[in-house]
Amino acid sequence: SQQGEEDPQALSIQEGENATMNCSYKTSINNLQWYRQNSGRGLVHLILIRSNEREKHSGRLRVTLDTSKKSSSLLITASRAADTASYFCATEGGNTPLVFGKGTRLSVIA
Amino acid sequence: DAGVIQSPRHEVTEMGQEVTLRCKPISGHNSLFWYRQTMMRGLELLIYFNNNVPIDDSGMPEDRFSAKMPNASFSTLKIQPSEPRDSAVYFCASSLWESNEQFFGPGTRLTVL
Repeated sequence: SQQGEEDPQALSIQEGENATMNCSYKTSINNLQWYRQNSGRGLVHLILIRSNEREKHSGRLRVTLDTSKKSSSLLITASRAADTASYFCATEGGNTPLVFGKGTRLSVIA
Repeated sequence: DAGVIQSPRHEVTEMGQEVTLRCKPISGHNSLFWYRQTMMRGLELLIYFNNNVPIDDSGMPEDRFSAKMPNASFSTLKIQPSEPRDSAVYFCASSLWESNEQFFGPGTRLTVL
């Protein structure tokens, strides 16, 4: 399975700190995506990184991808209470749809 | 655009009853996905359609589950008969197949008593 596995399962930080979440997967991919899910809501796409890219930025988000280690990280800088949510990585490989991990639950304490 | 629309948002039913969940994808999207989310199993892909045709239903847990997409703007997920272990949040998502990014609906929280 190419399912992504996020680490840690839960993370609690103070507002203003950086939050780092990791994702590992098992097989080759075309791209890896990160999604956010607020409590009681659907998932929202944050950022996509292709297999030939190593780093990508979007606002306070920074994503890295290491295909040799089959891993990715999501960094949220200067976190805010509104960043409290679950974060999922999803991998896409070949002609198949996304496969989601189980997520990291982030709590940002004001 | 209103985004992906799901109904109902909440459903409480008794074991053995038929449950029908509905989804309206984003206009112009050609792929539709049904997911189930639980604490224990995370987000599971049940079935997905491309251009209204079911492509892979290997995630459908049992024959009690069925899904249809009669046209590009509507899909249903039916559970008959429902069981307590079907209790979960069911999400519908749509996308342009070429773009990979999926847009999720707000979900239907199903409770089977």
